[in-house]
Amino acid sequence: EIVLTQSPGTMSLSPGERATLSCRASQSVSSSYLAWYQQRPGQAPRLLIYAASSRATGIPDRFSGSGSGTDFTLTISRLEPEDFAVYFCQYYGTSLQPFGQGTKVEIK
Amino acid sequence: VQLVESGGGLVQPGGSLRLSCSASGFSLRGHHMHWVRLAPGKGLTCVSTITSDDLNTVYADSVRGRFTISRDISKNTLDLQMNSLRSDDTAVYYCVKEEAGNWKPFETWGQGTLVIVSS
Repeated sequence: EIVLTQSPGTMSLSPGERATLSCRASQSVSSSYLAWYQQRPGQAPRLLIYAASSRATGIPDRFSGSGSGTDFTLTISRLEPEDFAVYFCQYYGTSLQPFGQGTKVEIK
Repeated sequence: VQLVESGGGLVQPGGSLRLSCSASGFSLRGHHMHWVRLAPGKGLTCVSTITSDDLNTVYADSVRGRFTISRDISKNTLDLQMNSLRSDDTAVYYCVKEEAGNWKPFETWGQGTLVIVSS
């Protein structure tokens, strides 16, 4: 069973700052199946990144993903007001596609 | 492309609910579909999957034997029958469409329907 652990649980930043979110897998996984989702309050999750580093359709280039093996990172280069949300990583290369527990990016 | 869930509500422990997801703009036939829930204070959990050919269904350990996923291609709807509900089933339930193919990201999500299990 693959378990994804995200850190930190919450990060407090100001608009314009850089956000770096971590997702660690309990065992080495293929980067071809690692995704990141954004969930704003009261909204459904939205696919941001797939295959660890590919942006989904319509996602701004301030969002980038990287990593391999057990360590993956989502970077938001300059936070916009609409980026304050919860972010989840997911490994979709196995049954029941596990998610991390989420990182909340809040306004400082 | 849109998914709209319905059927959530307040139910007593031990009770049943049937969630439904109406799909528009695409056919369910070509996609694996999932029910994903977000419980208070917890992360997202995929509780059930049905493959595009209807030949396989998968359930999380926590719901196996109590939940049943199904779909009606003629109506283009996805259902989740939930029996023997427990307080820890309280969550927002999302209907999710996987991109066509196998082992693809979850590209389309419904707005969710809230299930509260409480006496």
